[in-house]
Amino acid sequence: AQSVTQLGSHVSVSEGALVLLRCNYSSSVPPYLFWYVQYPNQGLQLLLKYTSAATLVKGINGFEAEFKKSETSFHLTKPSAHMSDAAEYFCAVTNNNAGNMLTFGGGTRLMVKP
Amino acid sequence: GAVVSQHPSRVICKSGTSVKIECRSLDFQATTMFWYRQFPKQSLMLMATSNEGSKATYEQGVEKDKFLINHASLTLSTLTVTSAHPEDSSFYICSARDNHSPLHFGNGTRLTVT
Repeated sequence: AQSVTQLGSHVSVSEGALVLLRCNYSSSVPPYLFWYVQYPNQGLQLLLKYTSAATLVKGINGFEAEFKKSETSFHLTKPSAHMSDAAEYFCAVTNNNAGNMLTFGGGTRLMVKP
Repeated sequence: GAVVSQHPSRVICKSGTSVKIECRSLDFQATTMFWYRQFPKQSLMLMATSNEGSKATYEQGVEKDKFLINHASLTLSTLTVTSAHPEDSSFYICSARDNHSPLHFGNGTRLTVT
């Protein structure tokens, strides 16, 4: 069984500030981890994924995430927030590289203040 | 551009009627499609997995007779919400992939049952 916990349903940062969205997972098998972004009334867009290669994964739009097995975490970061980053972010886990059968976290809504 | 097209983006229907949502892969053959449901302010929940030419596999707690899934071709899967009720109002998202491509999500369908 797998599960994902995202700490903080809402995160607010100022434009230009560091973005940190937390994700902890539970998995009985080596996990494959994903971060998705959802803009209002749209589907999901893949930001990045961890598939057992490098533990620090760089994604689109300046986001990156680090897989830490000892902490069972896969936190998403961005050095400097833009207004356009305001959206909902979902962390997801699965047991396959293809991203099938994803189990999603509860989501974190990121708000960016001018 | 979008590789998975979901239609309609919004639909309002009366209680007791049926609604069909289409999910099309535009430039690849989707051997597998997934249907997710997102309740307001909640995460996405996998409803079912469909493979072309075979019956869909439903997640626990999802009524297969209420949520009919047809994956009759390699580019089209449909989700039909039968005898819709207000509690079926939700945001439905499909995703699709072939054996080589990453998972692509549609833009979702917001269903409102009055």
